[in-house]
Amino acid sequence: KAGVTQTPRYLIKTRGQQVTLSCSPISGHRSVSWYQQTPGQGLQFLFEYFSETQRNKGNFPGRFSGRQFSNSRSEMNVSTLELGDSALYLCASSLEPANHYEQYFGPGTRLTVT
Amino acid sequence: DAKTTQPPSMDCAEGRAANLPCNHSTISGNEYVYWYRQIHSQGPQYIIHGLKNNETNEMASLIITEDRKSSTLILPHATLRDTAVYYCIVRVGGAAGNKLTFGGGTRVLVKP
Repeated sequence: KAGVTQTPRYLIKTRGQQVTLSCSPISGHRSVSWYQQTPGQGLQFLFEYFSETQRNKGNFPGRFSGRQFSNSRSEMNVSTLELGDSALYLCASSLEPANHYEQYFGPGTRLTVT
Repeated sequence: DAKTTQPPSMDCAEGRAANLPCNHSTISGNEYVYWYRQIHSQGPQYIIHGLKNNETNEMASLIITEDRKSSTLILPHATLRDTAVYYCIVRVGGAAGNKLTFGGGTRVLVKP
């Protein structure tokens, strides 16, 4: 079974631009979560989607948004990029949003903002 | 969320068992203990999880104390490829059940 895939793997953007990252979950998984990892803050939860609805949101500004499609694929968008948005963005999928279902992570998208 | 406490780092000899401790003294009855590891710049890898009973899979064993206030991840025969940051996470239930709250983890270095 294929794992979680994320595209693109690497991205360089300029301050003020916007970016869209994509995540395809493991086949059959309907819940997708997004995380940001930086050297200073570590791994932080961004948001979670299930059945095309956002169920949970972390403590991030409104510039960070996401959505989920009917095939469970998800995208996240960051508008008006700042230097501090440079990070590894990770997507994780699970069968359903319950704490006894393990989450599997993708390889991440490395975003660099210059 | 119940917080976890892990040692920041530990060394282990190749071929020996690695025992990684984790304290979670405020864990609630419906909260699971999860272990993940992250090898440099890769996505975290799921290892194992449990609620009350000890668990074993092809990667590791998870020993949870009877009062559930602490647990130990055991890598039975550590290899150099097990060098990684290991995260112990207590995962709440309900609406927030799918959120993983990562702490600092334990940086494990397996030495030849």
